[in-house]
Amino acid sequence: GENVEQHPSTLSVQEGDSAVIKCTYSDSASNYFPWYKQELGKRPQLIIDIRSNVGEKKDQRIAVTLNKTAKHFSLHITETQPEDSAVYFCAASNEKLTFGTGTRLTIIP
Amino acid sequence: DTEVTQTPKHLVMGMTNKKSLKCEQHMGHRAMYWYKQKAKKPPELMFVYSYEKLSINESVPSRFSPECPNSSLLNLHLHALQPEDSALYLCASSPAMGGARSYEQYFGPGTRLTVT
Repeated sequence: GENVEQHPSTLSVQEGDSAVIKCTYSDSASNYFPWYKQELGKRPQLIIDIRSNVGEKKDQRIAVTLNKTAKHFSLHITETQPEDSAVYFCAASNEKLTFGTGTRLTIIP
Repeated sequence: DTEVTQTPKHLVMGMTNKKSLKCEQHMGHRAMYWYKQKAKKPPELMFVYSYEKLSINESVPSRFSPECPNSSLLNLHLHALQPEDSALYLCASSPAMGGARSYEQYFGPGTRLTVT
């Protein structure tokens, strides 16, 4: 089955700086890669996703890149704000979602 | 309506109790999911319903029994649970499931279950 690794497990960034979270996956058949943000006590919220036929996607301050050959995908958050503090999960899907282990992002004011 | 709703928000039950968790969506989605999430861990898939039929059971113990009465509703019946079953139970839905295309999943707020 699919295996998704996510790094780093914790990340502290000064407000206004950029944050990058990286994931690797094992199943070359995976074709959909969403990112979820989960604040404490809240539901996982889909923030951006990318499909295997696209190399990069951007939505305002967040962007995702995908390297299918290397089986890597990354989340980039620019101009970070305190409200970006949360746990971020990457996931890979070939019919069902397999999640990474999560990254706790803390934005330091 | 663009949300997945779940009831109750919190549930405390004894090991001999029977209870049910409920999930509802009105987005016209045809796939619905149950996940279990322990603290500081990612969601773990339990069951998937596609077009109201059980499509995936991730080897979940029989003390968890899913039901999909119609395309908008998903239940999880609980019986004789163990303390280690305490967790956040998340429901999700997606437009469809299966085939060559994967679909975005939207999560409900979850039911925080405590088994005493």
